[in-house]
Amino acid sequence: EDKVVQSPLSLVVHEGDTVTLNCSYEVTNFRSLLWYKQEKKAPTFLFMLTSSGIEKKSGRLSSILDKKELSSILNITATQTGDSAIYLCAVGGATSYGKLTFGQGTILTVHP
Amino acid sequence: ETGVTQSPTHLIKTRGQQVTLRCSSQSGHNTVSWYQQALGQGPQFIFQYYREEENGRGNFPPRFSGLQFPNYSSELNVNALELDDSALYLCASRGGVGSTDTQYFGPGTRLTVL
Repeated sequence: EDKVVQSPLSLVVHEGDTVTLNCSYEVTNFRSLLWYKQEKKAPTFLFMLTSSGIEKKSGRLSSILDKKELSSILNITATQTGDSAIYLCAVGGATSYGKLTFGQGTILTVHP
Repeated sequence: ETGVTQSPTHLIKTRGQQVTLRCSSQSGHNTVSWYQQALGQGPQFIFQYYREEENGRGNFPPRFSGLQFPNYSSELNVNALELDDSALYLCASRGGVGSTDTQYFGPGTRLTVL
């Protein structure tokens, strides 16, 4: 059974800090790893990482996939209060017809 | 481009009742997946619909069923509601078989079972 574990489960920082969120996975026939940000209800898409795209960056956010270690990190630099959210990691397998397996999420709180 | 929409926003039911949740996929997307997100947990895959047929299912009992319509919108039906069915139900759409795994989520329906 596919499995995703995120750490830490929660994190409290101050504005301007840099944070690193971790995601480790076990999946049959890995195809992709996705990061989402969930503020109130709808998870919003951040990045998708695959064997052919192991690093992504957008503004202050960046993510790296380590296929050898079966893990990924999400970095946020110069955090802002608007970064406060739940960050979800999910994996997709080549034989799982679109099913994403999610971790339990990391709750990030950024104080002014 | 229209995003994924869901209705209703909130719903309160009692144990044993039946409920129908609705989802309109993002324009151009023909595949819809449903997820259940319990409080403090990540979303769990219920099933996926493509071309009006279920083509993938998670570990949910048969009382969770769905439909997809020719316009790619979808319904999730839950019969014989149990207290543990209380959760946020998320619908997600993507471009279809062969497209990337990126799924775009709607705002969800918060279901409370009393």
